[in-house]
Amino acid sequence: GAVVSQHPSRVICKSGTSVKIECRSLDFQATTMFWYRQFPKQSLMLMATSNEGSKATYEQGVEKDKFLINHASLTLSTLTVTSAHPEDSSFYICSARDRRTGNTGELFFGEGSRLTVL
Amino acid sequence: AQSVTQPDIHITVSEGASLELRCNYSYGATPYLFWYVQSPGQGLQLLLKYFSGDTLVQGIKGFEAEFKRSQSSFNLRKPSVHWSDAAEYFCAVGRKAAGNKLTFGGGTRVLVKP
Repeated sequence: GAVVSQHPSRVICKSGTSVKIECRSLDFQATTMFWYRQFPKQSLMLMATSNEGSKATYEQGVEKDKFLINHASLTLSTLTVTSAHPEDSSFYICSARDRRTGNTGELFFGEGSRLTVL
Repeated sequence: AQSVTQPDIHITVSEGASLELRCNYSYGATPYLFWYVQSPGQGLQLLLKYFSGDTLVQGIKGFEAEFKRSQSSFNLRKPSVHWSDAAEYFCAVGRKAAGNKLTFGGGTRVLVKP
């Protein structure tokens, strides 16, 4: 099956630093990737849609300057949390849509990345 | 806007008993419907999906779900629960017009008693 890998799985950083999280589709090409944020014991909230070769589309209320998304290739999207603060601590999950299946709607999820900002 | 409701936040079942998780959605047309399972600290694994056709969908790990248009529901069932089924379960709705973005329900945490 289709595999999506996230790295790092866990990261701890100091307040004010920036953290980059990678999302890779390992055995398929993804024209579209999605980034979600999940607070403890809560559901997933869509942050942004990342399209290969173009700017990401952010959901309402998500700061684009805080959460920088880059989708430079068909297999890699990155989320950079800039000037991280403790309130940015969360579980971040990416998902990807296989370009071959297009509009079937099925997404493949990464394992998630837990960010802790001290 | 589409929305997904999972009325039960927690469900506790005995091992070997049956399980049903409820999911209701709000959307004008037939959406794409999904059930995902998440173990602690992990990503999401797709259990099953419904796009069209047969309203009773079979998934992995012995799960099935039934799409009922009249009730706007897509409930997940398993006849006999195993201890390894303890996890968080999410129902999700997607629609082609929204670029296949998924809207997730709040999740239901399943605890399995020995």
